[in-house]
Amino acid sequence: QVHLVQSETEVKKPGASVRVSCKASGFTSTNYALHWVRQAPGQSPEWMAWINIGNGYTRSSQKFQGRITITRDTSASKVYMELSSLRSEDTAVYYCATYFGDYEAYDNWGRGTLVTVSS
Amino acid sequence: DIVMTQSPLSLSVTSGEPASISCRSSQSLLHSNGYKYLGWYLQKPGQSPQLLIYLASNRASGVPDRFSGSGSGTDFTLKISRVEAEDVGVYYCMQTLRPPFTFGGGTVVEIK
Repeated sequence: QVHLVQSETEVKKPGASVRVSCKASGFTSTNYALHWVRQAPGQSPEWMAWINIGNGYTRSSQKFQGRITITRDTSASKVYMELSSLRSEDTAVYYCATYFGDYEAYDNWGRGTLVTVSS
Repeated sequence: DIVMTQSPLSLSVTSGEPASISCRSSQSLLHSNGYKYLGWYLQKPGQSPQLLIYLASNRASGVPDRFSGSGSGTDFTLKISRVEAEDVGVYYCMQTLRPPFTFGGGTVVEIK
């Protein structure tokens, strides 16, 4: 049973950075991809980036390029998403989700981490 | 970017009655392997989204058979044969053919 546990709520000031973690358990191999999706209040989810856990390859949406960094710590089964130069529009719930290749879809989601950007 | 357009914005359905949600993509989601890279998710109040349908017409594990998905390369439909109280929430379609992966605007389903 795959389980994704995310870090707790964050409150940040504009211009700061935030790092959100996602700990994965229940995987039998490192052959999977973990994606980050955010959802602003009252909005649809928005895809941000992914990382291949096995080889560390990352890809992000052009919207966030230059501001987003995805890293992994395979020994701790954790993935980190860091977003810099925060602005109020970055206020959202940030989700990690596993991408199942056979489905070409997200089969497991974390509970989400609320990030509030406010002066 | 591939734009996903859902309709209607909201549905109010009597319990036990059917419901249908449409999703249209700005480009074909048909991969060269013959699969359509379209998924349907339900986000219940206060919860993370959960996968209902993958590759346009396949029910995910544990999803009741009252849910079904169909569609061509650009026009897709999610049907609920008999809506139950536990089906309340926001339904999203999402394309995973080409990054950036994109979601539809969502359809709110409530019980009348």
